[in-house]
Amino acid sequence: NAGVTQTPKFRVLKTGQSMTLLCAQDMNHEYMYWYRQDPGMGLRLIHYSVGEGTTAKGEVPDGYNVSRLKKQNFLLGLESAAPSQTSVYFCASSYWASATYNEQFFGPGTRLTVL
Amino acid sequence: DQQVKQNSPSLSVQEGRISILNCDYTNSMFDYFLWYKKYPAEGPTFLISISSIKDKNEDGRFTVFLNKSAKHLSLHIVPSQPGDSAVYFCAASAKNNNDMRFGAGTRLTVKP
Repeated sequence: NAGVTQTPKFRVLKTGQSMTLLCAQDMNHEYMYWYRQDPGMGLRLIHYSVGEGTTAKGEVPDGYNVSRLKKQNFLLGLESAAPSQTSVYFCASSYWASATYNEQFFGPGTRLTVL
Repeated sequence: DQQVKQNSPSLSVQEGRISILNCDYTNSMFDYFLWYKKYPAEGPTFLISISSIKDKNEDGRFTVFLNKSAKHLSLHIVPSQPGDSAVYFCAASAKNNNDMRFGAGTRLTVKP
C-alpha cells in the first residue's frame, strides 16, 4: 500500500497562475483533508471531505477550491495564486472523524512557492 | 486565534534522559488530543492520543498526560533516543467536529 500520495512534490508559480494539487489514498478512507503548514503556525485545515462528492470548508478556505469526484482522490485548486499561498501543503485521510478516534494519515507534502 | 499552543519551539535533551513536550489549549470543547511526529520532508505521523475521559495514556516509551482543569497536556519520552529527534505537533479535536487544530510544533533534538 502506498498510503497517501501527493502530486507534485514541488512547484513554483507566478502570481495569478492556477494549479491543482492531487492527493490519492489507497486505504479506502472516507475522510480526506487538505492542510497548509506555515512557520510558527502549525497545520491549518483548508478544506475537507467526508465522502465522495462532498466537501466542506475548514479554518482557512479562502483562495482555494476542492473536489472529491472519486473516493480515493481529493484535489486542491488555486485559481489565482498569491504570494500568501506560499506554503507546504499536506493531504491527509482517515477512516472517519468520530468523538473517539480521528487518527489521520498524512502524505509527504507539496512545497509551493508563489512569486 | 490559536486554540492549541506549544510555547517551546525547540527542546534539546541528552540520549537516555526524559523529554517532556508541553501543549496548552483554550477550547473547553476539545475532548480528544493527539501527538504527531514529523521528520523533515515527510508528512506527520500519528504517535499517541488521549481521550478527555482519561488523564494518562502510555505506549512503550511514550506517555501522554492530560490535565483538563489546566487545559494542558504533555508528552513524555523515556528514555529519549537520537531517532526521536523530530518536530512534535500537538493536536486537538471536539466531538463530532472535523476541524482538528494543531499547535505550532516543538523541535526535539536528542543528542548522543
